[in-house]
Amino acid sequence: GENVEQHPSTLSVQEGDSAVIKCTYSDSASNYFPWYKQELGKRPQLIIDIRSNVGEKKDQRIAVTLNKTAKHFSLHITETQPEDSAVYFCAASKDNGGGADGLTFGKGTHLIIQP
Amino acid sequence: DAGVTQSPTHLIKTRGQQVTLRCSPKSGHDTVSWYQQALGQGPQFIFQYYEEEERQRGNFPDRFSGHQFPNYSSELNVNALLLGDSALYLCASSFWGGNTIYFGEGSWLTVV
Repeated sequence: GENVEQHPSTLSVQEGDSAVIKCTYSDSASNYFPWYKQELGKRPQLIIDIRSNVGEKKDQRIAVTLNKTAKHFSLHITETQPEDSAVYFCAASKDNGGGADGLTFGKGTHLIIQP
Repeated sequence: DAGVTQSPTHLIKTRGQQVTLRCSPKSGHDTVSWYQQALGQGPQFIFQYYEEEERQRGNFPDRFSGHQFPNYSSELNVNALLLGDSALYLCASSFWGGNTIYFGEGSWLTVV
């Protein structure tokens, strides 16, 4: 089955700086890569996603890049703000001809924004 | 437009007991998936329901079972509870064939 590795486990950046979180996946058939943000005690919330026919996607301060050949994808957050502090999860899945497979998640990155 | 709703929000059970968790999907969605999230870990896929049938299953034992009703709502049942079943159980809904899923707030299960 799919295996998703996520690094780093903890990332501390100064407010206003950029943060980058990286993930690798093992199944070359995976074609959907979402990122979720989870605040303490809350549900994971989808912040951005990318499909394998696209190399990069941007939404305001958040961007995701995908390298299918290397089987890795990254989340980039620019101009970080205190409210960006949370745990971020990457995930991967593939369409199976009917429904989509369940998501396989990384172990998460605890992003800390230092004032 | 109601999002994904789950009940109960918190519950405590004793080892060996059984538990039932409930989920109503986001309005318009027809597919429900369940995930288990242990403390400090990412969510793990349990199974997915569509048209009242289990369509996919993750690496979970038969003690975990589910059901989907004609109105698309769903239940997760766990039998013979173990201490290791203590976790946040997340329900997610989507359209059948769609990748994008939306999570509910979850049910916190503590097994003592």
